[in-house]
Amino acid sequence: DAGVIQSPRHEVTEMGQEVTLRCKPISGHDYLFWYRQTMMRGLELLIYFNNNVPIDDSGMPEDRFSAKMPNASFSTLKIQPSEPRDSAVYFCASSLQGRAGTEAFFGQGTRLTVV
Amino acid sequence: GIQVEQSPPDLILQEGANSTLRCNFSDSVNNLQWFHQNPWGQLINLFYIPSGTKQNGRLSATTVATERYSLLYISSSQTTDSGVYFCAVRGGSQGNLIFGKGTKLSVKP
Repeated sequence: DAGVIQSPRHEVTEMGQEVTLRCKPISGHDYLFWYRQTMMRGLELLIYFNNNVPIDDSGMPEDRFSAKMPNASFSTLKIQPSEPRDSAVYFCASSLQGRAGTEAFFGQGTRLTVV
Repeated sequence: GIQVEQSPPDLILQEGANSTLRCNFSDSVNNLQWFHQNPWGQLINLFYIPSGTKQNGRLSATTVATERYSLLYISSSQTTDSGVYFCAVRGGSQGNLIFGKGTKLSVKP
């Protein structure tokens, strides 16, 4: 398997624009996570899905952020409108049967810069 | 929720030295992982170790779940070991991984 695949790797956008980040989890995994990493806050969970259903979105900072998982092999994280404080590295991760304590694997991340 | 504390926050080593990184967690867990974030930002899986001891080359890890801590040992450190080491745990009723703040390791030649 190619692992968790994220796109784009880098994104530079102007404030107010819509940004869409994409993730393809490892085939067969039933949990998908979106994390954000900043110097100030470290790695923080934004939202996670189990079997394509959002389970916990309490980490989503505000209504400007939304995430979808239309099928088992694809998820998006959208920011609309984007703001400079959204600049961060966004990671997607997946695991199998997370509740049973199995290993999570991370994608290479998307480095977002909002100017 | 579960709290995860890592120590030390920063560590500078001379190449060839050994080190021990610690991760304490505040409640029982069913998943504990160690990651290495390299200078390019990639999160590399080192160990999945909810309990017991594992070894992989120069690295080994031990988790004592009853005492709520885990240790990562790095022996004969190399400059390529530099980066940030994260511990992450998942509790019984949670689906997500909770990360510590990491230990930043710098290995000097």
